[in-house]
Amino acid sequence: EAQVTQNPRYLITVTGKKLTVTCSQNMNHEYMSWYRQDPGLGLRQIYYSMNVEVTDKGDVPEGYKVSRKEKRNFPLILESPSPNQTSLYFCASRPWTSFTDTQYFGPGTRLTVL
Amino acid sequence: SQQGEEDPQALSIQEGENATMNCSYKTSINNLQWYRQNSGRGLVHLILIRSNEREKHSGRLRVTLDTSKKSSSLLITASRAADTASYFCATDADGTASKLTFGTGTRLQVTL
Repeated sequence: EAQVTQNPRYLITVTGKKLTVTCSQNMNHEYMSWYRQDPGLGLRQIYYSMNVEVTDKGDVPEGYKVSRKEKRNFPLILESPSPNQTSLYFCASRPWTSFTDTQYFGPGTRLTVL
Repeated sequence: SQQGEEDPQALSIQEGENATMNCSYKTSINNLQWYRQNSGRGLVHLILIRSNEREKHSGRLRVTLDTSKKSSSLLITASRAADTASYFCATDADGTASKLTFGTGTRLQVTL
C-alpha cells in the first residue's frame, strides 16, 4: 500500500531534550515536506526536500533541522525543543516530475513540549 | 506567510444541503488545491484548479477560481455526514508545488 508513515504518532517531551520525528514514504517520491499545524493558523511549511541531499527552508524553519540521506526518509530534528514547538506535525511527499500532482500526507505526529 | 483565508471558519448544515466554502489569497498563483482533513488526521487531496481554469468538477465537488479577485470557492453538493471535516485551500505560487501555502481552513459539520 502506498503510504507516508510517521513515527512516533504522539510524543510528550521536555524542553531542551533533542528529538527526531521520522517520515518515510514507499512511493519513490522525490519531493518531501514537513508542515506544522496550529489552531487558527492552518498548515505552515517547515522544510522541504526536492531530492536526496537537497533541502530548503519553508516558512517557519527556526528551531528545526532536516536531512535527506535516502530518498524514502526525511526526518525532522528538534535539537532543543521549546514549548512553542508544541504542535501537530505532518510529513508529505509527491513525485517531483509532475508539478501538479497532489501531495500525500502522513497521519501526523502530535508533539507536546513541556 | 499565510496566503489563504477560508470563509466561513465554521459551517453547519444538514445532510442533503449544499456547502460552499470560500478561499481568498494574496499573491499570484499557478494553481490552487483543496484538501480535506478529518479530525486530527492527515490531509487528503480533493481537487486542483490551474490559474487558467475557471471551474472544475469532481463528483459532488465543484471548484471555481477567480484570479482577478484572488478567490476560489468549493461547493459540495448533496452533503453527507461523512463530509464532516475541515477543508483547506492551498496555493502554489510558482507551479512547482515546492512551497504550498495553506489557508486556515473551514470546519464543516453535516448533521443527519
